[in-house]
Amino acid sequence: QTVVTQEPSFSVSPGGTVTLTCGLSSGSVSTTYYPSWYQQTPGQAPRTLIYSTNTRSSGVPDRFSGSILGNKAALTITGAQADDESDYYCVLYMGSGIWAFGGGTKLTVL
Amino acid sequence: QVQLVESGGGVVQPGGSLRLSCAASGFSFSSYGIHWVRQAPGKGLEWVAFIRYDGSNKYYADSVKGRFTISRDNSKNTLFLQMNSLRAEDTAVYYCAKDSVYCLGSWGQGTLVTVSS
Repeated sequence: QTVVTQEPSFSVSPGGTVTLTCGLSSGSVSTTYYPSWYQQTPGQAPRTLIYSTNTRSSGVPDRFSGSILGNKAALTITGAQADDESDYYCVLYMGSGIWAFGGGTKLTVL
Repeated sequence: QVQLVESGGGVVQPGGSLRLSCAASGFSFSSYGIHWVRQAPGKGLEWVAFIRYDGSNKYYADSVKGRFTISRDNSKNTLFLQMNSLRAEDTAVYYCAKDSVYCLGSWGQGTLVTVSS
């Protein structure tokens, strides 16, 4: 069974740039997986950031961007702020009505 | 604005059943597919099930297939998740989420299900 992979943790300095990735244990991520990204802080529901690879959800600042980098989907945060410290999840549409989450990346801003 | 409100969570014994509801408002409920997603305590998010806008097709994660049933009542703008043969590993916060261009576009606040004797 194919697993969606993410870095377990990442750190970035305030004002810095960080790229989180979303891959597959077998194969490459492409736009046909409709990668999407979600931000979650403790005790809160997830918030949709990016869908269809690179489309920002309503109200999401433009310092969040999505792309395909090599064989993975990527979420880049430019000019990281303290309140970006959260868990970030990617989701891939695996086809046949099935979606799969990555394990999530815990982002620390320090 | 889109609003999704889950209810029906609680404590249930292993092997028991529970039915979750998700009341929707602020959009044309009958035009959108809806997902259930769960999150075990201290763990990541897990996609559970999806139902198409008209209820014609339903899809499940392997971990719940055969035990959980997703359904909807478009006349009442409500989504359901019937959970049978519950196990300790089903303990989680359960979220409903509106589908949008193959993503989970809007989320409810979740309802906690605890499976314990």
